[in-house]
Amino acid sequence: KNQVEQSPQSLIILEGKNCTLQCNYTVSPFSNLRWYKQDTGRGPVSLTIMTFSENTKSNGRYTATLDADTKQSSLHITASQLSDSASYICVVTLYNAGNNRKLIWGLGTSLAVNP
Amino acid sequence: NAGVTQTPKFRILKIGQSMTLQCTQDMNHNYMYWYRQDPGMGLKLIYYSVGAGITDKGEVPNGYNVSRSTTEDFPLRLELAAPSQTSVYFCASRHRGGTDTQYFGPGTRLTVL
Repeated sequence: KNQVEQSPQSLIILEGKNCTLQCNYTVSPFSNLRWYKQDTGRGPVSLTIMTFSENTKSNGRYTATLDADTKQSSLHITASQLSDSASYICVVTLYNAGNNRKLIWGLGTSLAVNP
Repeated sequence: NAGVTQTPKFRILKIGQSMTLQCTQDMNHNYMYWYRQDPGMGLKLIYYSVGAGITDKGEVPNGYNVSRSTTEDFPLRLELAAPSQTSVYFCASRHRGGTDTQYFGPGTRLTVL
């Protein structure tokens, strides 16, 4: 069964600290893995995307890693800011040569950054 | 560009009522999507469209209908609203091909009582 599991479910950190969020997936065939940030009351916004051959992708203070062998990804946030408080969702795309590619969504990690 | 816009932001319906959730994008994207997000759950695909005049079902299409008469607009119709349709609805769009990144609207929070 195609699944994306994220941990932890929720996390509280102090401003300025680093944190790492985890994503394990059992999706096949694999096309790409994306991390989205969803602020409360808003739609998700794409942070990074990685294909099978990519190990690391950075976007400012966000760094995503991918281990396609173990089917694991992580999102590392450096020097957290209050604005990082959000839900972070891992999404894996099924490879599909047709018109539409199916996305498998994780449930997200809810991050709270406190002053 | 305004991106993806959705109206209304909030709505309360009574059981059995119907309504249309509006979605418009100004990025000339071919692909458009409707998702619902229930508390503590991942996004579920309701319907999608690969271009004007073409729509297809997603994972959870029952109780909904869509149309795509123009590239810009992709309205979602709820007929005979039920409490199980209480959710937050997101519309998204993307270009054909490329990185297939979807761009999301701000969502519509719907409560059916």
